[in-house]
Amino acid sequence: ETGVTQSPTHLIKTRGQQVTLRCSSQSGHNTVSWYQQALGQGPQFIFQYYREEENGRGNFPPRFSGLQFPNYSSELNVNALELDDSALYLCASSLLQGALGYTFGSGTRLTVV
Amino acid sequence: KNEVEQSPQNLTAQEGEFITINCSYSVGISALHWLQQHPGGGIVSLFMLSSGKKKHGRLIATINIQEKHSSLHITASHPRDSAVYICAVEKVGGGGADGLTFGKGTHLIIQP
Repeated sequence: ETGVTQSPTHLIKTRGQQVTLRCSSQSGHNTVSWYQQALGQGPQFIFQYYREEENGRGNFPPRFSGLQFPNYSSELNVNALELDDSALYLCASSLLQGALGYTFGSGTRLTVV
Repeated sequence: KNEVEQSPQNLTAQEGEFITINCSYSVGISALHWLQQHPGGGIVSLFMLSSGKKKHGRLIATINIQEKHSSLHITASHPRDSAVYICAVEKVGGGGADGLTFGKGTHLIIQP
C-alpha cells in the first residue's frame, strides 16, 4: 500500500506564471484535499475533491483551481502567481471525505520570485 | 482570534521529560486531529479523536468536548520526538467538505 505522493518537491516560478502541482492519493482513498502552509503558520484549506468533483472550498480566489481524475489522483493549478503564493502546498487523501482520517503527502515547496 | 489555539508555541525540554501540548478551539467539532510535522514539511497523522482518550506507544491524546480542549502528552521524551505538533479540527456539519482547521503548531525540541 503506497502513501500519498506529491510532485514536484520543490519549484521556483516567476510572478504572473502558472503552476500545476500533482498528488497521487493513497490506494483506496477517494477524497483529496489541498492545503497551503505559509512559513511559520498552520496549513489553510484550499479545496477538497470527492469522486472527481469539488465539494468544499476555503477562502481562496478562483485562480486556485483543481482536478481529480478517475484514479483519484489530483492536480492543483494556480494562475497569475503572486509573491504571497510562496508556500508549502500539502495534499491529503482520505476515504469518505475524511471520516476515517487523513494521509498527508510531503508537500511541494513553491517559491514565487 | 483563531478558531484553534495551541500552547505553548515553542517548547524545549530535556530527554526523558513528560511533555504536554494543549489545544483549545472555539467552534463545534466532529473530530480533532493531532499531527506531527518534521522539517521538510511532511505531516504524519498521530490521532483522530471525537471523545475520551487514545494512546499509541509513548503518545497519549485526550479531549474534553464540554471544555473544547485537547491535550497531547509525550512520556519519556526522546530527541527523535523533536518536531512541530499541530492540532486540527473538523467543524461540525461540514461533512469533511470544509477541510481541517489548523492551529499554528507547537515547535518541540528535546535536548539529549
